[in-house]
Order: sequence, then structure tokens, then C-alpha cells
Amino acid sequence: KQEVTQIPAALSVPEGENLVLNCSFTDSAIYNLQWFRQDPGKGLTSLLLIQSSQREQTSGRLNASLDKSSGRSTLYIAASQPGDSATYLCAAAPVNTGNQFYFGTGTSLTVIP
Amino acid sequence: DARVTQTPRHKVTEMGQEVTMRCQPILGHNTVFWYRQTMMQGLELLAYFRNRAPLDDSGMPKDRFSAEMPDATLATLKIQPSEPRDSAVYFCASGLGGNEQFFGPGTRLTVL
Repeated sequence: KQEVTQIPAALSVPEGENLVLNCSFTDSAIYNLQWFRQDPGKGLTSLLLIQSSQREQTSGRLNASLDKSSGRSTLYIAASQPGDSATYLCAAAPVNTGNQFYFGTGTSLTVIP
Repeated sequence: DARVTQTPRHKVTEMGQEVTMRCQPILGHNTVFWYRQTMMQGLELLAYFRNRAPLDDSGMPKDRFSAEMPDATLATLKIQPSEPRDSAVYFCASGLGGNEQFFGPGTRLTVL
């Protein structure tokens, strides 16, 4: 079974700082990996999806990378803003299950004005 | 814009009562997922469907939970009888094949 780990569980940074969130997974044979954002009391919002054949995806100030050989993905947030405060979750779908995603427990980010 | 919808958004019920949660996936999506989120366990996959057929419901307590897709526009998750330990937020998500998943706003269930 795919296990997904996110460290740290919580992170506080001052506004304007660039930051990296980490995600590791145990089964390197993944179909794709997806990053989500969750605001308190809300559902999950998809941020970026990286297919197994890709190494990175970018959307605005966000950049997600994928290194299957080391079982790692990172989410880079440039010039952080207070509005970026949320919990960020990654989810990996192993090849043998196709679209069944396994979720990490998330990193709670606080950007301090 | 296209989004996954879930009803009800909040449900408070007493132990032993039946609970039905509904989900309307994004039109054209062929996979539907049910997840449960709690502080202790995080996000757990309960069941998922492809083209309305159940592919995996191993995460679901079979004695009290059931999931169905009566048609392509409706997925249901039922709990009968409900127990206090079922209190959680239940999310539905839909996608197309093995690609990006889109989540609904969730149903917050409280079983007293």
C-alpha cells in the first residue's frame, strides 16, 4: 500500500518569503501526484497535478516537482502571502490502482503579515 | 462553472438513525470517490466508482455503510444505523480516468 508522508506538519513564515513543502511516498511506481489546498472548514481545492511522465508543473506562484526515483515531490510557493495560509495536502496514485489516490496528512501553513 | 455538489452540507442526527449523503459529480466525469476526513485519521478513501461500477469499497465498514450510483449524475453514501464514531466530514470527488480529482464541499456529519 502506498504511504504518503508530509513534513513538517506545520510551518509559519513571514510574508514575502519563498517556501518549500515536502511530500514523500513509498511506492515510486506512481501514475500521478496531485497537490491540494484546504482552508478551514472547506473542501479540497486542486492546485497542481503532475503526471508520471512529467517532472514539474507550474501555476502562478506555485511550482510542483516530482522525483519518482527518490519518492519525493515538493511544492514551491514564491513570495508567500497571508492568503496562502491553509493546509496543503499531496496525494499519490500508484500505477497498479490507477486513479486511487493516497493522501498525506498535510502541512498547515501560516503566513504572517 | 463545473463543480461537484454535495447535500446536505451539515447533518446532525441521533445514534441509530439512517443517514443518506448525496453527490452530483461534474458532468462527463467517469470516476467518483467517497472520502471521510477526521482529525485523527485524516483523509480515508471509503469507496470509488468508475462508469458507475464499484471498483473498491474496502475502506468502508460493510455492515453499516453502502455506496451506490443510481445514475451518472448521482452518487449516494448511506449509513444505517449511524454511530457517534461516524461523525466526520464526508467528501465526494470526481475525475476523468486517472487524472485530476475535484472535490465537493463536503457533508459535516454529527451523530449524537
